Amino acid sequence: DTAVSQTPKYLVTQMGNDKSIKCEQNLGHDTMYWYKQDSKKFLKIMFSYNNKELIINETVPNRFSPKSPDKAHLNLHINSLELGDSAVYFCASSQGEKLFFGSGTQLSVL
Amino acid sequence: TQLLEQSPQFLSIQEGENLTVYCNSSSVFSSLQWYRQEPGEGPVLLVTVVTGGEVKKLKRLTFQFGDARKDSSLHITAAQPGDTGLYLCAGSYGNKLVFGAGTILRVKS
Repeated sequence: DTAVSQTPKYLVTQMGNDKSIKCEQNLGHDTMYWYKQDSKKFLKIMFSYNNKELIINETVPNRFSPKSPDKAHLNLHINSLELGDSAVYFCASSQGEKLFFGSGTQLSVL
Repeated sequence: TQLLEQSPQFLSIQEGENLTVYCNSSSVFSSLQWYRQEPGEGPVLLVTVVTGGEVKKLKRLTFQFGDARKDSSLHITAAQPGDTGLYLCAGSYGNKLVFGAGTILRVKS
């Protein structure tokens, strides 16, 4: 059974659209994250939630809005998509310092 | 400027060769982690090093944490095609885990 699952795997959309990525973890972890991996493979944290509360909010455009309905879910909604938003987005969870990642959502904005 | 610098960025070697990748910083870390990421998948944790000078082995992979806890290395002995992937080091900085830019390793058979 997948520990951290995110959907969809691929997302191709037009500039200006709004889209969401969903993430669920069945590990019982308290903390969840969204990371963005650019074309050069650099992985950068965007947000972190602990027990549904936002604890890390990096310098991310406010077009990106995370939502955690419960501690097992952390979704990412993106408004008014731009070309520069194209990247792979990873959800992760942790208990302590060890991160467990989902398999990523490749977002392509045309 | 990145907090963690990894080198080399790319490495293409033949099966059976040895290699070392490096992770360096000017900052001291309480611990460093190494992850491997395969195409189309998320990073998977390989090891965490905590004590300065610590050496950990995972089959053909040897991880070392620098004495000053500012750097780490990953040595692979007799590389195999299955070792191909992106190797990322990561360290705790404040309340978040920051990653190096990674080393892309390709092992040719």
